[in-house]
Amino acid sequence: EPEVTQTPSHQVTQMGQEVILRCVPISNHLYFYWYRQILGQKVEFLVSFYNNEISEKSEIFDDQFSVERPDGSNFTLKIRSTKLEDSAMYFCASSEALQYNSPLHFGNGTRLTVT
Amino acid sequence: SQQGEEDPQALSIQEGENATMNCSYKTSINNLQWYRQNSGRGLVHLILIRSNEREKHSGRLRVTLDTSKKSSSLLITASRAADTASYFCATASGNTPLVFGKGTRLSVIA
Repeated sequence: EPEVTQTPSHQVTQMGQEVILRCVPISNHLYFYWYRQILGQKVEFLVSFYNNEISEKSEIFDDQFSVERPDGSNFTLKIRSTKLEDSAMYFCASSEALQYNSPLHFGNGTRLTVT
Repeated sequence: SQQGEEDPQALSIQEGENATMNCSYKTSINNLQWYRQNSGRGLVHLILIRSNEREKHSGRLRVTLDTSKKSSSLLITASRAADTASYFCATASGNTPLVFGKGTRLSVIA
């Protein structure tokens, strides 16, 4: 069964550094998402992406964050200047149709640790 | 907020028993989805129930939806140790992003 893959599985970075989290969504999916989960907490929506542009973003997704689909397969999340509170699991997801009609397929996440 | 809230926060049962988890939400929805998350892994979609459906089955899973009470339940029958995970409900409304609850941590003891 096709799956969403994320790399790296674990990223340690120093406060103020830039990080890029990478995702390869399922190939025939059109909608892409980033969610994050602070340890033991709820899963929070960050951003959705369709047709090469952001379709929705949450208040968490401030100017420090950006997303890009640089080629036909990768979908990246960049955090420009990391803060301690950015430490979390970051999940990429994709879906065939808009998320309110179609289930999301999640990757296994990147654990980001900001020191 | 349309956020789903699961109840209980944690549930511990013996293998073979049934596990019931509940989800309540606040606003009207298009559909409600249940996901499972094994420790340190991504969420896996289990079942989607639309607002005009009342009950849905998938294997050992049974989901009900009561839109008048704004609540849903997930029943896992004949639980197994491998069912140990966190279970999340997520509500979809209009064109807003899927909103997840805080989850129920299920422990199935062999």
